[in-house]
Amino acid sequence: AQSVTQLGSHVSVSEGALVLLRCNYSSSVPPYLFWYVQYPNQGLQLLLKYTTGATLVKGINGFEAEFKKSETSFHLTKPSAHMSDAAEYFCAVSSPVFTGTASKLTFGTGTRLQVTL
Amino acid sequence: DGGITQSPKYLFRKEGQNVTLSCEQNLNHDAMYWYRQDPGQGLRLIYYSQIVNDFQKGDIAEGYSVSREKKESFPLTVTSAQKNPTAFYLCASSIVRSSASTDTQYFGPGTRLTVL
Repeated sequence: AQSVTQLGSHVSVSEGALVLLRCNYSSSVPPYLFWYVQYPNQGLQLLLKYTTGATLVKGINGFEAEFKKSETSFHLTKPSAHMSDAAEYFCAVSSPVFTGTASKLTFGTGTRLQVTL
Repeated sequence: DGGITQSPKYLFRKEGQNVTLSCEQNLNHDAMYWYRQDPGQGLRLIYYSQIVNDFQKGDIAEGYSVSREKKESFPLTVTSAQKNPTAFYLCASSIVRSSASTDTQYFGPGTRLTVL
């Protein structure tokens, strides 16, 4: 079984400040990890993903995340927040699947990011 | 442009009625998924399909039904047996690789269903 915990349902930062959204996972096998962003009344857009290899992953819009196996974490960061970053962010985990099998994602409950002037 | 379309964007239903949500993709993906989103609960998997004419229940399938007659289409029916159907419904799709791996799910814009 796998699960995701996102600490903080709401995070508020000032424009230009560091963004840090926390994600911890539980998985019985090496996980694949994802961050998605959702703007109001829209679908989810992939920000970045970790499968194997380099543990620091860079995504779109200046976001990055680091996979830390010892801490079972995959926190999302951005050095300088912009007003357009205001949205809801979801962390998700899946496991490597067998040939011809669809992957199944387990999502966290989401973190709403507010950016203030 | 390749992508996933969902229709309608907003849907209103009276209690006791069945309603069908549309999901179409032109990404040539084999797998398709339906999720339900409620405030503060993230996304929960309702049904998924890996191939035409085959589908599996997700975590919250009760009160829902699906069909997969074409690769491009995966409609979801919310039946009158679903006790609390008001929610935001998201469809997604992904490829199914020929080797052990996992693949990114791409999402449609969603349908907001309200039961009156």
